[in-house]
Parts: sequence; structure tokens; C-alpha cells
Amino acid sequence: QSALTQPPSASGSPGQSVTISCTGTSSDVGGYNYVSWYQQHPGKVPKLMIYDVSKRPSGVPDRFSGSKSGNTASLTVSGLQAEDEADYYCSSYAGSNSPMVFGGGTKLTVL
Amino acid sequence: QVQLVQSGAEVKKPGASVKVSCKASGYTFTGYYIHWVRQAPGQGLEWMGWINPNTGGTKYAQKFQGRVTMTRDTSISTAYMELNWLRSDDTAVYYCARSVGPAALDYWGQGTLVAVSS
Repeated sequence: QSALTQPPSASGSPGQSVTISCTGTSSDVGGYNYVSWYQQHPGKVPKLMIYDVSKRPSGVPDRFSGSKSGNTASLTVSGLQAEDEADYYCSSYAGSNSPMVFGGGTKLTVL
Repeated sequence: QVQLVQSGAEVKKPGASVKVSCKASGYTFTGYYIHWVRQAPGQGLEWMGWINPNTGGTKYAQKFQGRVTMTRDTSISTAYMELNWLRSDDTAVYYCARSVGPAALDYWGQGTLVAVSS
């Protein structure tokens, strides 16, 4: 199972919005509404930010939102804050044979 | 509160095996799958597989088939991941994580560094 494709970097100024894409295939992202996004600060454990394409776990600010169109999922961070600077990884369910696949990660920089 | 506490760092020689433990607390251990994910230094996340603590059923990523074994001991709410025939490129932080749905890992262990070096 190939990794999902994410841009290596993204950036925005405080208060702005930024969108990170995650492209897969009809066997993973496009085939199921089971895309998740994780935030990871340097040296820290990944944190679940979005699951089932657009649901937010309790405690995640509503500045974080997710969507999907075809084989591409997106994470949008609105009202960028300094603490949003981190690596972001998407993941998708990919069927019973190889259930989970991650993207390569995107480093988000708050300018 | 939900916690996953992993065993400590390991240093192994090529060809050896490593077994990492993941002790769960704060929830019903048999109610949620446990996944294992690893992260090589400076690299991204890589899914290794899952175990159903209720049945002991497992599913491994194709890359690790034949080299990884995931088990659990429900009496002590602990999951284990054993990786055999270690190579230098297995050097990574290994995480266990609880899943609340397909691809949705809501609680993670603190990570266990496994270093493979001759």
C-alpha cells in the first residue's frame, strides 16, 4: 500500500487560513469516509485532530476542519496561531487487506 | 483518564528481536483495537498493524508480514509488539495507539525508541 501524498510544507501568517491536501486513490481516500488528521509537535506524540473526514474530537478547536473531494482530502486551519506550527499527517482506511495508510506529512510554518 | 504506557528504550544488534509492551488503563481494554505505528528519525509515521484485544485477532501491514507479532494479555491490559530479525533501518520510535474507528487513533503511548546498531 503506497503512502498518501501530502505537500512537504505549507505556511501562513497569524490569523490567515491554510489548507493542506492529502491525495490517495479510490482504494483508500476516495473509497471510504475514514480520513484522519494528526498534529505532531517536535519531539511529541501525534494528536488526533480530525477523524471520519470532518469530525473533531473533544477539545480540538473549531479552527480545524476537514473535507474530502474524490481521492483528495483536505485539512484547513483557520485563524492561524503560533502554536499551530507543527507537522500534520493524514491517514486513511484502505480496506481489509491493509487497513491503514499514512501520508508523508506536511510541515506547517506560521510566519 | 485513558493512558497507554509503553516500555522503555531498547538497544539491539542486527538480527535480534525486540518486544515492546503497551499497558492500557482508564478504559475497557478489550473494547478498542490497539494499533502500532513507528517513526524513524526525521521521518513520517508508518502503520505496522493492529490487534483486537478482545479476540486476539491481528492484521499486519504487508511490509512487516512474517517479521512482526502482536499479542495481548487481557489479565493485565497490556498489548505487545515483537519485531524479529532487526535491521538498522528498524531504528525508530514505536508507538501504540487506541483506535476509535478506522484510521482514527485517539490515544497514543509515549513511544519507545528502538535503536538497532552493531
